[in-house]
Amino acid sequence: GAVVSQHPSWVICKSGTSVKIECRSLDFQATTMFWYRQFPKQSLMLMATSNEGSKATYEQGVEKDKFLINHASLTLSTLTVTSAHPEDSSFYICSANEGSYEQYFGPGTRLTVT
Amino acid sequence: AQTVTQSQPEMSVQEAETVTLSCTYDTSENNYYLFWYKQPPSRQMILVIRQEAYKQQNATENRFSVNFQKAAKSFSLKISDSQLGDTAMYFCAYRRNNNDMRFGAGTRLTVKP
Repeated sequence: GAVVSQHPSWVICKSGTSVKIECRSLDFQATTMFWYRQFPKQSLMLMATSNEGSKATYEQGVEKDKFLINHASLTLSTLTVTSAHPEDSSFYICSANEGSYEQYFGPGTRLTVT
Repeated sequence: AQTVTQSQPEMSVQEAETVTLSCTYDTSENNYYLFWYKQPPSRQMILVIRQEAYKQQNATENRFSVNFQKAAKSFSLKISDSQLGDTAMYFCAYRRNNNDMRFGAGTRLTVKP
């Protein structure tokens, strides 16, 4: 089956710094990638949708300038959390779609901001 | 707007028995897809089963089956012969065409030995 990877799997950063999370589709070309955020014991909340070569579409309430998404190629999307604060600590999950109804999920990235 | 509701925050079942998880959704669309995902402690999302709305036949995958009631907008998951490895969070999800996926709040299932 299609595989999506995320790197890093866990990152700790200091408050005020920026951190980048990568999402890669390993064996298929992802026309669309999605970024989700999941707080402990809660559901996945969609943050943004990105299409290769175009600007991401953010969900209402998600700060575009804080969560920078770049979908530079058909196999790579990045999420950069700028000027991170402790409240940004969460589990971030990406998923990728190749044009069908199926979405393939990455293993997630745990972000801890100290 | 599409919303997905899972009214059971937690469920438990004895090993080898059957359990049903409930899910309802709201949509004005006619063509869409419904999914059940399992999220174990590793937090990797694992697809359990999917249902295309245009198909009347309920989807089945080994011990997992769904009861899809399109008119009632209901999509329940039945797990037969429950196993300890089925212990996880289960999320019901809705997707319209190639758009994003909307998730319910989840049901935490515990299988007891």
